Amino acid sequence: GQNIDQPTEMTATEGAIVQINCTYQTSGFNGLFWYQQHAGEAPTFLSYNVLDGLEEKGRFSSFLSRSKGYSYLLLKELQMKDSASYLCAVRDDKIIFGKGTRLHILP
Amino acid sequence: GAVVSQHPSRVICKSGTSVKIECRSLDFQATTMFWYRQFPKQSLMLMATSNEGSKATYEQGVEKDKFLINHASLTLSTLTVTSAHPEDSSFYICSAKPPSNYGYTFGSGTRLTVV
Repeated sequence: GQNIDQPTEMTATEGAIVQINCTYQTSGFNGLFWYQQHAGEAPTFLSYNVLDGLEEKGRFSSFLSRSKGYSYLLLKELQMKDSASYLCAVRDDKIIFGKGTRLHILP
Repeated sequence: GAVVSQHPSRVICKSGTSVKIECRSLDFQATTMFWYRQFPKQSLMLMATSNEGSKATYEQGVEKDKFLINHASLTLSTLTVTSAHPEDSSFYICSAKPPSNYGYTFGSGTRLTVV
C-alpha cells in the first residue's frame, strides 16, 4: 500500500526557520515532490528529489533519505506569504500526495 | 514556462445534471494527464489517469461511469461529472508533466458546487 505521513499543522514566527517532515511507505519510488498550496488555489511546484541529499533553492531546501523513507522541507527567513499548506508527494507510476501540512506564520 | 489551463474555474449546477471540465496543456503535449479531487482542508486525492487515445485508469473507489474522462488529443483532457449530486461538490484539479521539467504542472482548478 501507499502511505505518506506529514504533520497536520505547524506554527512558526516570521523570520524564523521551520522544517516540515514527511515519511513515506510506497510500493515504488521515482522521486519525491514538495508543493505549496494557498487556500483555494492550485498547488505550485517547490522541489523534486530523486537522489539522497539536500537540494537548495533560495529560501527553500529539501532533503531526501531513500533508505529511511524520509524527506523534509526547510523554509528559512519565513515571510507572512509563506503561510500555506505544504504537500509532500511521492512519484511511482503516478503521484500520490500526503495530507499536507498547514503552516501558520505569526508576526 | 509550461502552463496547464483549466476551465471553468467555478461552476454551480443542479442535482442530476452533468458538468464538463476541460484541462489543456498550452505549450506542450501531454500523453498523460491526472485528475485530482480535493475536499476542504484535505489533500489532493488522485481520481484517475487520463491517457491520450486510450481508456483512463481509475483509482479504487472512483466510479468510471460517473466521472467520464476523455483524452482525445495531446493537449486536451476532459472530465465530465455525470448526474451530479451535492456530495460531488469539490475542487477538481488536473495536472500534466511538461517534458523538460521535473515537476508536474497543475491547472488552476475548478470549484464545483452542486445544489
